[in-house]
Amino acid sequence: EAGVTQFPSHSVIEKGQTVTLRCDPISGHDNLYWYRRVMGKEIKFLLHFVKESKQDESGMPNNRFLAERTGGTYSTLKVQPAELEDSGVYFCASSFTAGGYETQYFGPGTRLLVL
Amino acid sequence: AQSVTQLGSHVSVSEGALVLLRCNYSSSVPPYLFWYVQYPNQGLQLLLKYTSAATLVKGINGFEAEFKKSETSFHLTKPSAHMSDAAEYFCAVSDGNYQLIWGAGTKLIIKP
Repeated sequence: EAGVTQFPSHSVIEKGQTVTLRCDPISGHDNLYWYRRVMGKEIKFLLHFVKESKQDESGMPNNRFLAERTGGTYSTLKVQPAELEDSGVYFCASSFTAGGYETQYFGPGTRLLVL
Repeated sequence: AQSVTQLGSHVSVSEGALVLLRCNYSSSVPPYLFWYVQYPNQGLQLLLKYTSAATLVKGINGFEAEFKKSETSFHLTKPSAHMSDAAEYFCAVSDGNYQLIWGAGTKLIIKP
């Protein structure tokens, strides 16, 4: 069974440009999460989808970030326009709702560098 | 509000020695607790989790952690370190609403 995949693995862009990150969750997982780790800091929650609906987006830093989950499958996270402080590693995770707390499985992350 | 504190951004142990990575949490409700590991150039992998069953939790690769409510701790241990254990380890807590709150991470260095 394929794990969570993320694309691209690395992205280097200039300040003011737009970047779109993609996450493909494990097949059948209805929960999808985005997290971010800014260099030297702890990993922070960004948002949580249940199928195609945003369940919790309390961690989204500002309106330059837009997340979508088309048809409840893959998800994209767009940053427009990118700022220097957006640099970091963006992790995606997915889980299956089966009662109780289900383990979140993580992808390898996308390393974003904004110059 | 929940929070996680990991003592030591870097921990260095000799190969074959005991590994002890410390994690303290704060939570207003019975927590779910996790340890994840990130090997170089890889994603986050679940080592073990506590979800209110046995307080001593065994994970992969010989790691285990003990939930101590009185100390609000969930320290990670391994009796004998191996070179392949070199990685960054993260402790995380959840109150059950799915969002994980993370510690700052501890890089484990294994000396030959």
